[in-house]
Parts: sequence; structure tokens; C-alpha cells
Amino acid sequence: GNSVTQMEGPVTLSEEAFLTINCTYTATGYPSLFWYVQYPGEGLQLLLKATKADDKGSNKGFEATYRKETTSFHLEKGSVQVSDSAVYFCALYYNQGGSEKLVFGKGTKLTVNP
Amino acid sequence: GAGVSQTPSNKVTEKGKYVELRCDPISGHTALYWYRQSLGQGPEFLIYFQGTGAADDSGLPNDRFFAVRPEGSVSTLKIQRTERGDSAVYLCASSLGGGVAYEQYFGPGTRLTVT
Repeated sequence: GNSVTQMEGPVTLSEEAFLTINCTYTATGYPSLFWYVQYPGEGLQLLLKATKADDKGSNKGFEATYRKETTSFHLEKGSVQVSDSAVYFCALYYNQGGSEKLVFGKGTKLTVNP
Repeated sequence: GAGVSQTPSNKVTEKGKYVELRCDPISGHTALYWYRQSLGQGPEFLIYFQGTGAADDSGLPNDRFFAVRPEGSVSTLKIQRTERGDSAVYLCASSLGGGVAYEQYFGPGTRLTVT
């Protein structure tokens, strides 16, 4: 079936540190891939997406590249800020045989300390 | 403009009771999705509406769960004979259309606690 596996949290970093959150997927066909973010007290928001192999999604200094050969979509940021503290969810978009949905990973909680 | 709204924000109910959770999508959005997020987990798909009809209800866990969207706007998720395992945050999302081209906008969720 279709599934997403992302690295276990929580992750704690100091401000300006480099961030990587690993995400791998299992899917039939070639799904679109997403990173969503949930800031404290807020709803889920789309952070970035990539719809085909080798595409790079980017937003707010975050980047992720769709790697078909390794079925991965790792999230990276070169220098995190305290305001990046949130829960990050990797997801794939599944559309097959009339079924259409987002499939999410379990989420990774990031805390950035000043 | 207004985002997706969900009411109530919190609902506490006793085991065996019936509950209704409401979702008001962004105006003009034809697609509406319900997800359930248990503690420590990512959101799990329940049902997808395109207009008034349920295009995909494969995520509803059993026949105690039912959702409607009679006029193609507001949707209600209905849970009969609630069980403690139904406790979770229920999320609603809407988008301009179905398909990956359209971003899903999420509401703040309804936290359901079954005692």
C-alpha cells in the first residue's frame, strides 16, 4: 500500500543549526510529495511540494528534493530559527482508481532553542 | 479571507453517545476532506467530497461513521455509539478542486474526547 515513514522525533536544535528531517515513501506509481507544518496552536499548513521526480520544492528557506531512486523527500534548512519550532509532516498524494487522498507520516516535532 | 472553520473546537461525550462535528469550508471550494489525527500520529484520511457527493469514503473506519454535505458547502461528520477509541482530533480541509494541483487548506480541528 501507500505509506510514508519519517524520522522519529523530537528533534532539538540550536538557532542557526542545519536541519534535516528524513522522509521515505512507499507508493504505487509516482505520487506527489508534500511537507506540511503545524505551528503551536495553529492548523496544518502546506510548506512545500514536488510533483515529479527530481523536482525541488522550496519555501521559507526550507527545501526538499523528490528522489525517485531512493523514494525519499528529505526536508532541509540551512539555518533554523526559533520561529521554525513546529511539528513537520511528510505526505504523499494518492490518486488511483477513484480514490484520492493525502497519506501522512507520523510527524516530527522540532524545537529550536535560542 | 476566512479560512476553514470547525465547530465545536472541543467536544467531550460519554461512550455510546452520538456526536456531530461541523466543517465550514472556504467559500467556493468544491472539494472537502475529513481526516482524523490520533495522539502522536499524522492525520489519517476519512472521506472526500466533490460537491455534494462522497467521491471516496474508503477511510471511514466502520458504519458508525457517516458524513454529509447536502448543499455542497458545509459538511457534518456524524459518529454513532461513540467508543473511547474514537477520541482524536478531527480535521477538515477544503480545496478549489480535487487533484494534486489544488492545495488543501486545513481547519483548526475538533478535539473529541470520549469518556
